[in-house]
Amino acid sequence: LAKTTQPISMDSYEGQEVNITCSHNNIATNDYITWYQQFPSQGPRFIIQGYKTKVTNEVASLFIPADRKSSTLSLPRVSLSDTAVYYCLVGFAGKSTFGDGTTLTVKP
Amino acid sequence: DTGVSQDPRHKITKRGQNVTFRCDPISEHNRLYWYRQTLGQGPEFLTYFQNEAQLEKSRLLSDRFSAERPKGSFSTLEIQRTEQGDSAMYLCASSPRGVASTDTQYFGPGTRLTVL
Repeated sequence: LAKTTQPISMDSYEGQEVNITCSHNNIATNDYITWYQQFPSQGPRFIIQGYKTKVTNEVASLFIPADRKSSTLSLPRVSLSDTAVYYCLVGFAGKSTFGDGTTLTVKP
Repeated sequence: DTGVSQDPRHKITKRGQNVTFRCDPISEHNRLYWYRQTLGQGPEFLTYFQNEAQLEKSRLLSDRFSAERPKGSFSTLEIQRTEQGDSAMYLCASSPRGVASTDTQYFGPGTRLTVL
């Protein structure tokens, strides 16, 4: 199983860019990297997925270096509503683990 | 697309009782997952179905836990002889047909179980 390591918590202010890094040293060749967002008492919600280099969608960017042993989720200009737990997930089905996530707190 | 639904949303039971949870995935999604999440932790994988076949089971899924997806649509998770350590949020997710390695899971709201 590809174990992931993320910072436990991060603080930011409204309007700033936030970068959350996830380490996954034993990622397998076929594994994709997926990031999810979770609010209290809700299920996780898909944010972005990538395999290598850079992926961008309407809410975030994902940077993956050539060795794929880490990935960085970038949230541009965060708002108070981005306060949540963010998880990176490597692999799929029974061969993936969520880890404990990063609690992002956005302050006014 | 009505999303993944789970029933009940909350369940309080006494130790030793059996409980059953239901998950209705997004229509046409062929993969279905069950996770358990305790406070402050990430979701822990329990089991995974592709259509009606149960393809993966975590060692966390003791013999008191059983999951079914009889017709490849909704799924049930049963816990027999509940213990206080079973108290958690039970999450269901589904994902569409396609390459499994690019799996994007859509989660339901969860069922919060409290065992007294």
